[in-house]
Amino acid sequence: DVKVTQSSRYLVKRTGEKVFLECVQDMDHENMFWYRQDPGLGLRLIYFSYDVKMKEKGDIPEGYSVSREKKERFSLILESASTNQTSMYLCASTFSGNTIYFGEGSWLTVV
Amino acid sequence: QQQVKQSPQSLIVQKGGISIINCAYENTAFDYFPWYQQFPGKGPALLIAIRPDVSEKKEGRFTISFNKSAKQFSLHIMDSQPGDSATYFCAASMFTGGKLIFGQGTELSVKP
Repeated sequence: DVKVTQSSRYLVKRTGEKVFLECVQDMDHENMFWYRQDPGLGLRLIYFSYDVKMKEKGDIPEGYSVSREKKERFSLILESASTNQTSMYLCASTFSGNTIYFGEGSWLTVV
Repeated sequence: QQQVKQSPQSLIVQKGGISIINCAYENTAFDYFPWYQQFPGKGPALLIAIRPDVSEKKEGRFTISFNKSAKQFSLHIMDSQPGDSATYFCAASMFTGGKLIFGQGTELSVKP
């Protein structure tokens, strides 16, 4: 079974804090993605990566950055958390030409 | 900019009925159209997918109908069951495994 693991399921952070969301996949997937999910808006793409050390902006990259130093790990970074970044964050991965698999999500609350 | 529009936002269906969710897209370069199912507290999971060279794909009780000229596709759930109660997302991408653009989601509730 494909495993996409988001280590932090529930986080509460203060405004202005730096936040790291970690995602690890165990299938040697090339492609990895970070989405945020908000009611009525569906899933919106923040950043994606088709290879190690490669990153591309998605539709809503403002206020976020990413890091992909190793193939299996794709980290989402909120440099200075704000209340409008309270959301559920979903990591996903795949090989090109294959189904995209999602992790179970990280619920982030910024107070 | 919402490139994939999904309706309805919520849907209530009686057990045994047919659930229908519709999506429309704008970009004719999209080449892969999956539907994802999400249960509370879980990540989305692929349910069924179609490419634009076919007009229909069926897997068990789930069918995708695809209308390339209208740039629309829909999910039909036959004989809907309470266990089908979940949020459903349509999506589109340029190729399988590429970044997905999602619709807004439909919360389906199947009443016993």
